Amino acid sequence: TQLLEQSPQFLSIQEGENLTVYCNSSSVFSSLQWYRQEPGEGPVLLVTVVTGGEVKKLKRLTFQFGDARKDSSLHITAAQPGDTGLYLCAGRTDSNYQLIWGAGTKLIIKP
Amino acid sequence: DAGVTQSPTHLIKTRGQQVTLRCSPKSGHDTVSWYQQALGQGPQFIFQYYEEEERQRGNFPDRFSGHQFPNYSSELNVNALLLGDSALYLCASSSRFSGNYGYTFGSGTRLTVV
Repeated sequence: TQLLEQSPQFLSIQEGENLTVYCNSSSVFSSLQWYRQEPGEGPVLLVTVVTGGEVKKLKRLTFQFGDARKDSSLHITAAQPGDTGLYLCAGRTDSNYQLIWGAGTKLIIKP
Repeated sequence: DAGVTQSPTHLIKTRGQQVTLRCSPKSGHDTVSWYQQALGQGPQFIFQYYEEEERQRGNFPDRFSGHQFPNYSSELNVNALLLGDSALYLCASSSRFSGNYGYTFGSGTRLTVV
């Protein structure tokens, strides 16, 4: 069974602080994606990483794919209340069309 | 450019009934995947349709079935509804050229079974 373990499940911090969300698996993924989901809406793609060791930046968000392509992290610098939401990681393996999802990290940024 | 459109947005059904959910993919996309998301959890893969065929299926019973039409739109049918089928049902579209790079999701259909 392929699993993606995401941590922490819940994070509440003050505006301006930094944070990191982790996504770990024993499986190797051909690509790993990060999504953000608002209540009552579908997930919105933030980034896709496909190469081991790859780092991508999206404004204050930095995404990293592990060298072995089994794990990934999302780092937010100087968090803002607008960053509040559910962050989900999802991976694809070469033999699968489906996305394997983490359970999500509920992030609350307090003003 | 319209994204993925799902209908209806909300639905309340009684146990034992049948339901059909609909999805129109993003323009230029030819592949449709369906996911079930229970409250507080990540989405679970139901199945994926490409070229009007079910290409892959997740661990869901045969009560869940689907269809893809020549215009790439898709339907998800659930028979003999159970209370546990209550969830947000998400449709995601992608292109056969870019499926590895991300999916576009609709806003989902919130199904409540009473």
